[in-house]
Amino acid sequence: DTGVSQNPRHKITKRGQNVTFRCDPISEHNRLYWYRQTLGQGPEFLTYFQNEAQLEKSRLLSDRFSAERPKGSFSTLEIQRTEQGDSAMYLCASSSQGTGVAEAFFGQGTRLTVV
Amino acid sequence: AQRVTQPEKLLSVFKGAPVELKCNYSYSGSPELFWYVQYSRQRLQLLLRHISRESIKGFTADLNKGETSFHLKKPFAQEEDSAMYYCALSKTGANSKLTFGKGITLSVRP
Repeated sequence: DTGVSQNPRHKITKRGQNVTFRCDPISEHNRLYWYRQTLGQGPEFLTYFQNEAQLEKSRLLSDRFSAERPKGSFSTLEIQRTEQGDSAMYLCASSSQGTGVAEAFFGQGTRLTVV
Repeated sequence: AQRVTQPEKLLSVFKGAPVELKCNYSYSGSPELFWYVQYSRQRLQLLLRHISRESIKGFTADLNKGETSFHLKKPFAQEEDSAMYYCALSKTGANSKLTFGKGITLSVRP
């Protein structure tokens, strides 16, 4: 599968623990996005990278959340001191740069459950 | 602020019936509109976008700027159309982040 890859697919953690998710975008895509999706809602934007630069962060991204894309390839999303409200599906998407709005390709997501 | 509204959560139709999935948006500019679909156990994928003006799997969607709507239509539903459908918008520019509606489940019964 040469699409966007996310690991792990599922994560169960205790409240207060730190978790880290990884996203491997499509190799030639320089734009990478993180979204969060809770039950009954559509995906909500968290943050955006162009190459290695993090260019925008949503207000949803509290200071417990940090995202990196160190070499402009894969990205990690870390949540520190997890809370039950962090339980959600975390989606990664990538797209290529071009004129207009390029199609975003999504990964299968990481489902986080905080107990 | 940009917002996408999908007023219904579920639409259940019989095979062969027409389908219309409603989407309204608010945005103070010229957005690009999309429909994304998620089939059971599959990832979210693009179904169609308004600038393409094409029909995908028999679905079409027309952007109505006066009514700020982008409804998805198909004249004859098939069982394989059963899925979750999300309307989304994006502004043109470097950050093409998507703003999604809450989605609607389409169920096509045999």
